[in-house]
Amino acid sequence: DGGITQSPKYLFRKEGQNVTLSCEQNLNHDAMYWYRQDPGQGLRLIYYSQIVNDFQKGDIAEGYSVSREKKESFPLTVTSAQKNPTAFYLCASSIQGGSMGYTFGSGTRLTVV
Amino acid sequence: DAKTTQPPSMDCAEGRAANLPCNHSTISGNEYVYWYRQIHSQGPQYIIHGLKNNETNEMASLIITEDRKSSTLILPHATLRDTAVYYCIVSSMEYGNKLVFGAGTILRVKS
Repeated sequence: DGGITQSPKYLFRKEGQNVTLSCEQNLNHDAMYWYRQDPGQGLRLIYYSQIVNDFQKGDIAEGYSVSREKKESFPLTVTSAQKNPTAFYLCASSIQGGSMGYTFGSGTRLTVV
Repeated sequence: DAKTTQPPSMDCAEGRAANLPCNHSTISGNEYVYWYRQIHSQGPQYIIHGLKNNETNEMASLIITEDRKSSTLILPHATLRDTAVYYCIVSSMEYGNKLVFGAGTILRVKS
């Protein structure tokens, strides 16, 4: 079955370390997105990519970096510059970069200690 | 800024219809109304979307007012598994647009 896979489901890191979250999709979607969710809050957009080798900052990109070298993959790196990295991270993809038909992964819960 | 307004929480009895309201008074002519839901600690799930006509699928019905300034998501026979946060989002299908999520409505279905 097609879908989006995020790994790992839970991730623990020490403060000051960079960490990379994986997101892979086999839906042949062009666009991919990273959202962050804090407890009791809605989703906030970190970065998005509408095509391979291109990506744009979302609303809260500071302290994060991404790459889009393959259509299927959109990894997110949480750097040491991110002041409050503990959160639930969600990856999504869509067909053409419009609003239609977002498919979400099951998320990665990052805890920085 | 959020383009929609939803109540923070609602309760519904199991087996009854759940009616979730959403106000979107500044909606543009080419913007659709989307509904997603998020069960605790999972990724959001698409429910339904519409432009101006009422829509129905196997999960829910979407009623959009004639002036398009508000809508209601209807879960006809709510079950305990429908307990989730429900997000109402307005957005066009233009290339480059992204979904912007507000705080949503927490729906609690009770037995």
